[in-house]
Amino acid sequence: DVKVTQSSRYLVKRTGEKVFLECVQDMDHENMFWYRQDPGLGLRLIYFSYDVKMKEKGDIPEGYSVSREKKERFSLILESASTNQTSMYLCASSFLASGFTDTQYFGPGTRLTVL
Amino acid sequence: AQKVTQAQTEISVVEKEDVTLDCVYETRDTTYYLFWYKQPPSGELVFLIRRNSFDEQNEISGRYSWNFQKSTSSFNFTITASQVVDSAVYFCALSATGNTGKLIFGQGTTLQVKP
Repeated sequence: DVKVTQSSRYLVKRTGEKVFLECVQDMDHENMFWYRQDPGLGLRLIYFSYDVKMKEKGDIPEGYSVSREKKERFSLILESASTNQTSMYLCASSFLASGFTDTQYFGPGTRLTVL
Repeated sequence: AQKVTQAQTEISVVEKEDVTLDCVYETRDTTYYLFWYKQPPSGELVFLIRRNSFDEQNEISGRYSWNFQKSTSSFNFTITASQVVDSAVYFCALSATGNTGKLIFGQGTTLQVKP
């Protein structure tokens, strides 16, 4: 079974703090993704990575950065947390398949509250 | 432009009723993939099905069935004899152009099954 884990289920931080959200997958997937989910807005892609040290901006990268030093780990960084970054953050991974789009498998999510 | 529309924001049914969740997509790609995910209250997105654009056969898995119609750009999901455990948010997704591994998600449909 594919396993995607996220470092915390719930997190409370203060405005201005630097926040790290960690995601680890155990299936040797090349692709990893970070989404945020807000009511009425569905899932929005923040960043994704298709290889170690590679990253691509998604639809809403502002205020976020990422790090992928190892294949199995993809970190999302909020450099200076703001209240509008209060959200559910979901990590996913998939194979980088040639000729088709593979299934993304998701972690349990981190519900971040910024006070 | 690519887009996924799930027009039903919320659906409420009584247990044992059949329910269909609609998904309409837009793409100019000739090869693409469609997905359904389930998000129970625990938060984790659970993969349900992936179909490619060349396979229009309907799929049945237990109480779940999917109807893919290219002529109407729809990929609808039916739950037969719904159960309380089916209560969740359901997302339809489309593979993004360019075989990047990215997915385009619909807004989601919240299904509530009452006992």
